[in-house]
Amino acid sequence: GAVVSQHPSRVICKSGTSVKIECRSLDFQATTMFWYRQFPKQSLMLMATSNEGSKATYEQGVEKDKFLINHASLTLSTLTVTSAHPEDSSFYICSARDWARLTGELFFGEGSRLTVL
Amino acid sequence: GESVGLHLPTLSVQEGDNSIINCAYSNSASDYFIWYKQESGKGPQFIIDIRSNMDKRQGQRVTVLLNKTVKHLSLQIAATQPGDSAVYFCAETQIQGAQKLVFGQGTRLTINP
Repeated sequence: GAVVSQHPSRVICKSGTSVKIECRSLDFQATTMFWYRQFPKQSLMLMATSNEGSKATYEQGVEKDKFLINHASLTLSTLTVTSAHPEDSSFYICSARDWARLTGELFFGEGSRLTVL
Repeated sequence: GESVGLHLPTLSVQEGDNSIINCAYSNSASDYFIWYKQESGKGPQFIIDIRSNMDKRQGQRVTVLLNKTVKHLSLQIAATQPGDSAVYFCAETQIQGAQKLVFGQGTRLTINP
């Protein structure tokens, strides 16, 4: 089946540094990818919709200057958490839709756990 | 805003029993619903989906029921196994348009031996 890969799976950084998370669709092209954030024991909250070749669409309350999204190709979207702080520590999950499938099923990456010290 | 919610945050069942996880949604424009299973430290895993033109869909050991009248969704897992222990999320979206998924609160299912 379709596979979405995220890297790194875990990252620990110091407060004030920036961290980049990659999301790749391995065997299909994804014009649209979605970035979610999940705090412990909570549900997934959509942060932004990443569109290949154009600007991302951010959900209300998500700072676009803090969470930079780049979708430069049909198989890669990146999320950069700039000037990370401890409150940014979370599980970040990307997803991509495979429109070649009848239902346009959404596939999720394995997530990237960010810990900001 | 509109959201998808779950009735129960936790559910414990005996191994071999059937389990039912419920979900309420509020966006009447949603026409596609999905159940996901999430194990600790992993991303959501697709279980089963259903479109709004259906009220029931069966998979392997799982059945999803959709009641559009009361905006209710349920996931039935038959003959539960230890490997079914996880957090289950329902999600709603629209086939056309932005196709953003809105996730419910989640239900932690624990299978007792």
